[in-house]
Amino acid sequence: GAVVSQHPSRVICKSGTSVKIECRSLDFQATTMFWYRQFPKQSLMLMATSNEGSKATYEQGVEKDKFLINHASLTLSTLTVTSAHPEDSSFYICSARGAQGVFGNTIYFGEGSWLTVV
Amino acid sequence: AQKITQTQPGMFVQEKEAVTLDCTYDTSDQSYGLFWYKQPSSGEMIFLIYQGSYDEQNATEGRYSLNFQKARKSANLVISASQLGDSAMYFCAMRGGRIQGAQKLVFGQGTRLTINP
Repeated sequence: GAVVSQHPSRVICKSGTSVKIECRSLDFQATTMFWYRQFPKQSLMLMATSNEGSKATYEQGVEKDKFLINHASLTLSTLTVTSAHPEDSSFYICSARGAQGVFGNTIYFGEGSWLTVV
Repeated sequence: AQKITQTQPGMFVQEKEAVTLDCTYDTSDQSYGLFWYKQPSSGEMIFLIYQGSYDEQNATEGRYSLNFQKARKSANLVISASQLGDSAMYFCAMRGGRIQGAQKLVFGQGTRLTINP
């Protein structure tokens, strides 16, 4: 079964509104989670590192005020796309590393979220 | 900087045949990990197999095996007895570095595998 759950799987929002995507680790605590973005027919690109209890670390070129990341607990990270524009339409996916001794070195991904801004 | 290269944009294989997906990597880290993920059209990233840089034996998981050649910096995925359900995008990825960097993944461009009946 899934060890990382992401919600919603698909969301359509109007331009100018904000949308929140949740990423949950199931059965394990994840002090660090990662958010990726994937354009059609392209590879995954890391957007930011979500750190529990502290500010997220953003990759170069990613607008932190536009892509708000909150890691309020050891099992939940949220990505909020603020003032969404059509060019923000993409596939967003999170990942978390399992705890040592339980899931070992494996890095698991959520199911991903398809965002369409109209 | 770490880099993953997948040189096969697309592969077409007959059902039940074995297939090898190529992956080469570049890193200055001594400790690193290599992953293969399968991404069907639904978008989810399905973990297939992991190889640590210090693992002496090639990793195997059912029909999947990883041909790890450290000196050549290659980590090819071998799928034996391919099935129609294997048709998907396949990504090779690497983690490395220290502390948090050890959990970041750098992905290759991906290979689209199509299994023909």
